[in-house]
Amino acid sequence: KQEVTQIPAALSVPEGENLVLNCSFTDSAIYNLQWFRQDPGKGLTSLLLIQSSQREQTSGRLNASLDKSSGRSTLYIAASQPGDSATYLCAVDTPLVFGKGTRLSVIA
Amino acid sequence: AAGVIQSPRHLIKEKRETATLKCYPIPRHDTVYWYQQGPGQDPQFLISFYEKMQSDKGSIPDRFSAQQFSDYHSELNMSSLELGDSALYFCASSLDREGTQRTEAFFGQGTRLTVV
Repeated sequence: KQEVTQIPAALSVPEGENLVLNCSFTDSAIYNLQWFRQDPGKGLTSLLLIQSSQREQTSGRLNASLDKSSGRSTLYIAASQPGDSATYLCAVDTPLVFGKGTRLSVIA
Repeated sequence: AAGVIQSPRHLIKEKRETATLKCYPIPRHDTVYWYQQGPGQDPQFLISFYEKMQSDKGSIPDRFSAQQFSDYHSELNMSSLELGDSALYFCASSLDREGTQRTEAFFGQGTRLTVV
């Protein structure tokens, strides 16, 4: 059974810092990995999808990498802003199996 | 661009009542997923449909059922509601290219179900 772990569970940083969120999964035989953002009580917003054949994806200040063999992915956020404050969820495969998320607070 | 539409957004039901949640996927998406997210929890997979057939089943209680209709919209039917069913229910859709190259899954805004 696929299990997804995210570290850290919570993170508080000053505005402008670059930061890395980590995701690991137990079964490396995945088709793809997706990163989401969730604001409190709101829906899930897709940030990036990495297909199993890809190593990384970039969107604006976000960069996600995937190392299938080691069962790891990282989400890099550059020049963090207060508006980035949210919970970031990593999910793998079909159907999506989620980690418990990293709760990010960016302090102005 | 069209997104995944869920209705209703909020629902309050009493114990032992029934509820029906609706999901309208992104046009041309052929796969629909249902998830349940309890307070402070990560989303838990309930059930999915591909081309109107059930494709996967997760932790969906026997009291719940779902189907996907000919127009690809899906409904989640919940009976004999319990207090523990109070949660956010999300629907997501994607395009499943022969099961190996699923496109990005997009989620609706969810239905907040409160059972009192």
